Amino acid sequence: DAGVTQSPTHLIKTRGQQVTLRCSPKSGHDTVSWYQQALGQGPQFIFQYYEEEERQRGNFPDRFSGHQFPNYSSELNVNALLLGDSALYLCASSLRDREYGYTFGSGTRLTVV
Amino acid sequence: LAKTTQPISMDSYEGQEVNITCSHNNIATNDYITWYQQFPSQGPRFIIQGYKTKVKNEVASLFIPADRKSSTLSLPRVSLSDTAVYYCLVGRVFSGGYNKLIFGAGTRLAVHP
Repeated sequence: DAGVTQSPTHLIKTRGQQVTLRCSPKSGHDTVSWYQQALGQGPQFIFQYYEEEERQRGNFPDRFSGHQFPNYSSELNVNALLLGDSALYLCASSLRDREYGYTFGSGTRLTVV
Repeated sequence: LAKTTQPISMDSYEGQEVNITCSHNNIATNDYITWYQQFPSQGPRFIIQGYKTKVKNEVASLFIPADRKSSTLSLPRVSLSDTAVYYCLVGRVFSGGYNKLIFGAGTRLAVHP
């Protein structure tokens, strides 16, 4: 039973560029959440998708957008990259209404130069 | 959402029992307490969850006093592989079931030979 799969594992982008990160949830899960984790900090909630709609959003600018597909997989898009966007981006999947059922992927390490 | 306070770092030695205490003075009636473990360059991993008294599983125990204003994660006989960051989270299932995990800075546990 595959867990949460994220791609790519590492990425280097230049300021001003756009990036797309991908996430495949754990089998049986229908909800995907995205988190940003800066070095030495705890993960910060970006947004959550269920039934292909954004259901909750954290304190992140509109440069951060997402999408969920009918197969529950998800993408995180970041436009106009800033140096401060350099972080580990984590995807977590869960089954709606089951908070303790979160499963995290290993993340995508994004470096903006 | 209830704010949590936990030590920034702790040191221990192999074979010892480690207790990490988390303070959550503003915990609400329907909140429960969840602990996650995170290794470098990996996503957080669920350890244990509880509402009151004591919960135990194969890796840890969670002690919650009657007033629920704090909780203690207990790791028996730690090994070098328990070196990680441990997060205490307090949360509830919101109306409609859309919920999110709010992470603090966590406790960095270093286990020494």
